[in-house]
Amino acid sequence: GQQVMQIPQYQHVQEGEDFTTYCNSSTTLSNIQWYKQRPGGHPVFLIQLVKSGEVKKQKRLTFQFGEAKKNSSLHITATQTTDVGTYFCAGPSNDYKLSFGAGTTVTVRA
Amino acid sequence: DVKVTQSSRYLVKRTGEKVFLECVQDMDHENMFWYRQDPGLGLRLIYFSYDVKMKEKGDIPEGYSVSREKKERFSLILESASTNQTSMYLCASSLGLGQPQHFGDGTRLSIL
Repeated sequence: GQQVMQIPQYQHVQEGEDFTTYCNSSTTLSNIQWYKQRPGGHPVFLIQLVKSGEVKKQKRLTFQFGEAKKNSSLHITATQTTDVGTYFCAGPSNDYKLSFGAGTTVTVRA
Repeated sequence: DVKVTQSSRYLVKRTGEKVFLECVQDMDHENMFWYRQDPGLGLRLIYFSYDVKMKEKGDIPEGYSVSREKKERFSLILESASTNQTSMYLCASSLGLGQPQHFGDGTRLSIL
């Protein structure tokens, strides 16, 4: 079945630095979604990318969908303490269920 | 805004009990989902429903059943709770299959 993999599993970042987390699918995706889960909270939908090569920005967050629609990335610039949490990517499988990656857990050093 | 409400934030039950977890959404979404979330294992789909009285098994349905008698409500049932079912349970809904999902706050279930 479809697998969605995320790297790294953990990201420890100095406040103010940039970082990128990556998502790779074993199959071509019709869309890729990103979610954020704060500590003690529930996953919250951030964004959906649909087109090959699509790039979307939300303030300091930049999301990209690969040309082959099998990978995606999330880049955060000037990391802040509010960015702490786990970021999940997810893509629909052939039966339209969402396959979630295991997530990248981000901690920030002030 | 979509509101997905789970009946309990924390629940403690005993081995062998029948446990009901309730979820209600207020946006007339067709699709509803139950996941469990465990450290290092991410989100795993237990069951989902794409219409009233319709259900499909997810990746880990063993030991669970579901009920969807009304569009807005999706219940997860642990027929005979076991300690390995101690977990965080998350309910979600979506307008279309494969589309963004909206999650409830989760129920942290402990089976003693």
